[in-house]
Amino acid sequence: QKEVEQDPGPLSVPEGAIVSLNCTYSNSAFQYFMWYRQYSRKGPELLMYTYSSGNKEDGRFTAQVDKSSKYISLFIRDSQPSDSATYLCAMILDSNYQLIWGAGTKLIIKP
Amino acid sequence: NAGVTQTPKFQVLKTGQSMTLQCAQDMNHNSMYWYRQDPGMGLRLIYYSASEGTTDKGEVPNGYNVSRLNKREFSLRLESAAPSQTSVYFCASSEAVSASSTDTQYFGPGTRLTVL
Repeated sequence: QKEVEQDPGPLSVPEGAIVSLNCTYSNSAFQYFMWYRQYSRKGPELLMYTYSSGNKEDGRFTAQVDKSSKYISLFIRDSQPSDSATYLCAMILDSNYQLIWGAGTKLIIKP
Repeated sequence: NAGVTQTPKFQVLKTGQSMTLQCAQDMNHNSMYWYRQDPGMGLRLIYYSASEGTTDKGEVPNGYNVSRLNKREFSLRLESAAPSQTSVYFCASSEAVSASSTDTQYFGPGTRLTVL
């Protein structure tokens, strides 16, 4: 079993829809949670970063952490075709450990 | 300000050949990283360097060597390429002054390597 599980998709939704992307993890000691966005043939770029449980909002994006369920989510409101990309979750135990990555979910926003 | 640059963008090797992937960053970052990305596997850390002159193994270091030439440059060498090393290789950098991974990592565009 992988430490971090992510549905590979593709997830295809119409423009303007609310998108929910999710990751589950097995190690309850993870403390820091990140979402990276990766466009086709590009390197990943950091989108959102949260520590421990709760929500964090940045424009159309909301990151949510539920440590009791070992589940994190990224919500995208008013989705745009430019949001079409692969979304990778990543997490670490504390500041002295390596990032553990999910395999990524491919998102397609149809105009 | 180019960020993180990688060369080459594409490479095809035959089994047993050697090559060096180059990476440079112009953000004055302390830490640099080499990852490989395979379908369904996510990013896996090969090696990282928290400062000039220091390198440490990551999750999948076998078959690779690295050199932190100076603060800007971090190269990855395949001494004897194998088909299992066919992958997309990403270099990244961050401001982290230790092995800490909480600082944002900035990625290069990647090198697509095929080993026949």
